[in-house]
Amino acid sequence: DIQMTQSPSSLSASVGDRVTITCRASQSINTYLNWYQQKPGKAPKLLIYAASTLQSGVPSRFSGSGSGTDFTLTITSLQREDFATYYCQQSYNAPFTFGPGTTVDIK
Amino acid sequence: EVQLLESGGGLAQPGGSLRLSCAASGFIFSSYAMSWVRQAPGKGLEWVSIFTSSGGSTYYADSVKGRFTISRDNSKNTLYLQLNSLRAEDTAVYYCAKGGRRSGDFDYWGQGALVTVSS
Repeated sequence: DIQMTQSPSSLSASVGDRVTITCRASQSINTYLNWYQQKPGKAPKLLIYAASTLQSGVPSRFSGSGSGTDFTLTITSLQREDFATYYCQQSYNAPFTFGPGTTVDIK
Repeated sequence: EVQLLESGGGLAQPGGSLRLSCAASGFIFSSYAMSWVRQAPGKGLEWVSIFTSSGGSTYYADSVKGRFTISRDNSKNTLYLQLNSLRAEDTAVYYCAKGGRRSGDFDYWGQGALVTVSS
């Protein structure tokens, strides 16, 4: 099975900050990497698929990059509604494993 | 508008059974893979199972293999998850999720159904 790791596990940031979250796969997954945002008590929401493609309706301050084993999610100019937990997930093959999550909270 | 509505959650005893349902609308259900993803209280996301659209293949996480069964009824636009031999560690919110460009891209999610396994 492909293992996914994320760093950091949590971070504190201010509105307007640039935030970067990294995700690493235990083997190459090409660009079959997705990012989700989850707020407390809510279902996850797909932000980015195929490593860098923005899902419809997602603000352009979110971007993704990477291929192979190393990926990043960047939020430029963090907004109040962006404080949440972010998960990466590989869609290369089943089981479709998720990273442990990165919680972004208010500094 | 895509909508996924789970039902069937509740309290079950260890060793017991439950069946979850996910009613889908707003898209051509038969054309997409559908998955179940769960989240234990205070924990991260864990993919549980998928039912593909083409060929009707099913896959399971090792943690549920042999105990859970995924199925779908395309005539009713409904996805199911039969949970048998339940354990305390199966306690979680269970989400159904629609496959996207790839089967493993989860582009829409239901609101979740809470399953609690306790005596």
